[in-house]
Amino acid sequence: SQQGEEDPQALSIQEGENATMNCSYKTSINNLQWYRQNSGRGLVHLILIRSNEREKHSGRLRVTLDTSKKSSSLLITASRAADTASYFCATGSEKLVFGKGTKLTVNP
Amino acid sequence: GAGVSQSPSNKVTEKGKDVELRCDPISGHTALYWYRQSLGQGLEFLIYFQGNSAPDKSGLPSDRFSAERTGESVSTLTIQRTQQEDSAVYLCASSSTDRGRNTIYFGEGSWLTVV
Repeated sequence: SQQGEEDPQALSIQEGENATMNCSYKTSINNLQWYRQNSGRGLVHLILIRSNEREKHSGRLRVTLDTSKKSSSLLITASRAADTASYFCATGSEKLVFGKGTKLTVNP
Repeated sequence: GAGVSQSPSNKVTEKGKDVELRCDPISGHTALYWYRQSLGQGLEFLIYFQGNSAPDKSGLPSDRFSAERTGESVSTLTIQRTQQEDSAVYLCASSSTDRGRNTIYFGEGSWLTVV
């Protein structure tokens, strides 16, 4: 069964706006990761947040983690057309289980 | 190599034929994963190797699917008697086993089309 579930399934915004994607999971975790996928090809790791962290930043990315709610969010600030992709959260220590992803479209 | 390499990148096969997909992980990575992704869908876990052993084969869809890994390196995913529903991108990934920081690195995938 899927461990992580992202929402929304699809998100369309204008360049310059912020994009927020959410992920919910079911069981306890050691860490949670976010990945990006362009055009159905390989996924690229974006950021990992550990279970004892509440927030983490990397460039224009901000990830939060609320273990009490079993949820995480990924915020992309000042979005660009090049951010158009699908974004997935993943949990697991040895076997990573991915959600179904959020398809983000950033319109120029 | 520098990254995870998969071959073939694209494969069109006739229904009923067998196909073999290959994955070369990043050198030194002991963990190797196979995922399947149908068009517009999420990633479906197939199998996971730790070294040459597969402690978790729970995701293999049927007994037509098998995978092996040798030399703690190359892995092959074999699909026998392919069916049209097997059409998908098959993604391989590898990671070191530094617990708690297990970033995995993906290959570009093998597009399989069964006609």
